[in-house]
Amino acid sequence: EIVMTQSPATLSVSPGERATLSCRASQSVSSNLAWYQQKPGQAPRLLIYGASTRATGIPARFSGSGSGTEFTLTISSLQSEDFAVYYCQQYNNWPPLFTFGPGTKVDIK
Amino acid sequence: QLQLQESGPGLVKPSETLSLTCTVSGGSISSSSYYWGWIRQPPGKGLEWIGSIYYSGSTYYNPSLKSRVTISVDTSKNQFSLKLSSVTAADTAVYYCASPNIVLVEYAFDIWGQGTMVTVSS
Repeated sequence: EIVMTQSPATLSVSPGERATLSCRASQSVSSNLAWYQQKPGQAPRLLIYGASTRATGIPARFSGSGSGTEFTLTISSLQSEDFAVYYCQQYNNWPPLFTFGPGTKVDIK
Repeated sequence: QLQLQESGPGLVKPSETLSLTCTVSGGSISSSSYYWGWIRQPPGKGLEWIGSIYYSGSTYYNPSLKSRVTISVDTSKNQFSLKLSSVTAADTAVYYCASPNIVLVEYAFDIWGQGTMVTVSS
């Protein structure tokens, strides 16, 4: 089973600042990595798939990078609506079995 | 636009079977473009993939839950279902049905239901 870890657990950022979130896989997942945003009481929303491709309607301030075991989600200039929990998910396996990271909470500094 | 909606009991007794249904609207459950799945989230915790099913009926489950999980499709009702047996308090969670549009976003989950809270308690 591929284990996903995320760091930091909590990231305190001021509005307008840059946020950098990390995700690590216990073994290579190639570029088969997605990022999600979740706000309280809501279902997760897909931000990034294929490690670096923004999903439909996702603002350009969200960008993803990395491959293999190390991945990064960058929010270039945090807006008030970006304060949320962010999860990474790998989908590298065949058969398709998935694992999520534990999440990074981005809160207001 | 494809939409998903979960339904089922909000309270289940310990040792019993949790049963949920996800109704698909705006598209066909028989489409090969999707991989219908269930994901759960205990209160205050992270996301856990439970399992998924293809239109063909092929199923894949989280190894940690495999012995207790059954996912099935009912094409006549455009629904898919989750059964989780022998539940305990640890199974208390918000349960989401979700699916990737495999053609567009690989196996990333771009379609989600709103989620349904299931509490395991006597």
